[in-house]
Amino acid sequence: EAQVTQNPRYLITVTGKKLTVTCSQNMNHEYMSWYRQDPGLGLRQIYYSMNVEVTDKGDVPEGYKVSRKEKRNFPLILELPSPNQTSLYFCASSASGGQPSEQFFGPGTRLTVL
Amino acid sequence: AQKITQTQPGMFVQEKEAVTLDCTYDTSDPSYGLFWYKQPSSGEMIFLIYQGSYDQQNATEGRYSLNFQKARKSANLVISASQLGDSAMYFCAMREGWGSASKIIFGSGTRLSIRP
Repeated sequence: EAQVTQNPRYLITVTGKKLTVTCSQNMNHEYMSWYRQDPGLGLRQIYYSMNVEVTDKGDVPEGYKVSRKEKRNFPLILELPSPNQTSLYFCASSASGGQPSEQFFGPGTRLTVL
Repeated sequence: AQKITQTQPGMFVQEKEAVTLDCTYDTSDPSYGLFWYKQPSSGEMIFLIYQGSYDQQNATEGRYSLNFQKARKSANLVISASQLGDSAMYFCAMREGWGSASKIIFGSGTRLSIRP
């Protein structure tokens, strides 16, 4: 089954404790992206990657890091989490050839930083 | 700069009626794609429909259609014969660039509630 998986689905942590949210896709997509969703703001892009070892900032990259060492994986790293990073996070992937294509989303990770 | 505007924070519609969710966009790139996603209360993002900037006809997918008015820069989603299961948040999104994987921006969403 074609899918994007994220882990963990739920996470409660404390300020300053480094964490990683994993994202993996099995569709051989070149493009992967991370979003955060906050009430009234829709989804905002954090980082995106057009292929292995190619990443770029989205609209709200501060406080986040990403890496793309393998095509299928795109982890999101919060080295010093803060309460303002409490949010619902989505990973997504899509093919990058031809016309702009739809994104496939993971199930979401609900993060609470105390 | 890219921009997506959804002006309806919430809507109530009677079951079986048609509903139109508004979306306007702003871009200087002639090549772009417009998407609609549904987010039910369970939280997942479900792709509904896509319209490319060079597409001559409005996109349709079952009960969903996209009313694409390029000159007005609007891409409204039309749901025909609404059902209780259509109650959800709906997001309009835009992606610029042809053959490239570029930034994607989302509107703030419209919460649709279907009354029985």
